[in-house]
Amino acid sequence: EAGVAQSPRYKIIEKRQSVAFWCNPISGHATLYWYQQILGQGPKLLIQFQNNGVVDDSQLPKDRFSAERLKGVDSTLKIQPAKLEDSAVYLCASSGGAGGYEQYFGPGTRLTVT
Amino acid sequence: AQSVSQHNHHVILSEAASLELGCNYSYGGTVNLFWYVQYPGQHLQLLLKYFSGDPLVKGIKGFEAEFIKSKFSFNLRKPSVQWSDTAEYFCAVISGGGADGLTFGKGTHLIIQP
Repeated sequence: EAGVAQSPRYKIIEKRQSVAFWCNPISGHATLYWYQQILGQGPKLLIQFQNNGVVDDSQLPKDRFSAERLKGVDSTLKIQPAKLEDSAVYLCASSGGAGGYEQYFGPGTRLTVT
Repeated sequence: AQSVSQHNHHVILSEAASLELGCNYSYGGTVNLFWYVQYPGQHLQLLLKYFSGDPLVKGIKGFEAEFIKSKFSFNLRKPSVQWSDTAEYFCAVISGGGADGLTFGKGTHLIIQP
């Protein structure tokens, strides 16, 4: 079974630029999560989708972050404009199907904002 | 809001030593508890989980954890560590619904010396 795919793996941008991350969850997983992991901390949930609907986006900084999950499969997370404090690893996870509630994580995208 | 505390941020042990990593959570209701591991250069992966039933749960690679409700704790243990256990370990909790996003602790960086 293929795992959660994310791209790009690394991205360096200047502050005030925009950036987008892509995630392809495990086939058949209805629930998709985006987490932000700042160096030295545990991952923090940004947004959760159930199929193509948002379940929880209470911790998403909506003035600069946006996310969508078209057709209930792939998802994109966008930051516009980026700030220095957005430097982090952005993790995508999915759950559902035969795996039940277990969340499977992708390799992450490491963002550096200079 | 729920929170997770991991008491040891850096732990250094010799091979064959016993391991116990502390984890406490703040939520007083029904919880689902997890330990995740991230080996160098790899994805976050699930070590073990507790949803209900026997409070002593066994995971992969000889790890186990004990849920003590009265102490709000879910400590991770392994009787004899190996060099390959060098990794970052994260305790995480979901309150209520099992499909919700995870709340993670800050992680423990474990180094096993040969």
